[in-house]
Amino acid sequence: LAKTTQPISMDSYEGQEVNITCSHNNIATNDYITWYQQFPSQGPRFIIQGYKTKVTNEVASLFIPADRKSSTLSLPRVSLSDTAVYYCLVGDKTGGSYIPTFGRGTSLIVHP
Amino acid sequence: DAGITQSPRHKVTETGTPVTLRCHQTENHRYMYWYRQDPGHGLRLIHYSYGVKDTDKGEVSDGYSVSRSKTEDFLLTLESATSSQTSVYFCAISLTGTHTEAFFGQGTRLTVV
Repeated sequence: LAKTTQPISMDSYEGQEVNITCSHNNIATNDYITWYQQFPSQGPRFIIQGYKTKVTNEVASLFIPADRKSSTLSLPRVSLSDTAVYYCLVGDKTGGSYIPTFGRGTSLIVHP
Repeated sequence: DAGITQSPRHKVTETGTPVTLRCHQTENHRYMYWYRQDPGHGLRLIHYSYGVKDTDKGEVSDGYSVSRSKTEDFLLTLESATSSQTSVYFCAISLTGTHTEAFFGQGTRLTVV
């Protein structure tokens, strides 16, 4: 299973763009990169998923370089409500023996 | 929450007693999961199911058993609760049939005293 490494915490201010990078040096050919967000006392929530290059949705963008050994979750113009823990997962979305494994995540604190 | 109900939401139990947590989904998704979350450990997979009566172990399955006799229900049982099993337990389902896009319930806070 490909392991991931993320910063434990980050701080930002309202209105800024936040980029959270995840390292996954052992990513396999069939692996996808998935990001989740978790607020206190709630279960994680799926944010975005990608395989290569760039993926964008209404919440975030995901940048994946050509070697796919890292990925960056970009949150545009954060607000206080974006304060949460963000998890990066790597694995084969087609199933098989892969089961999503969450690390400790990155705790993002957005300040006024 | 889009079709997942965990019960109970909170429970306090004594060491050595059996405890069963229930996860109920309303949409017939194939994959269901049980995770536990503890400070400093993130979420860790306990067991998962890929169909009725089809289950498998996750990363931290010792001390836990599961059953899935109906598509909509996935039960997690602590046969003899210990203080180390004090945790928040999350059930999840896969909305897309792939492991990487899971939808989580609100969690059950279990305290073993």
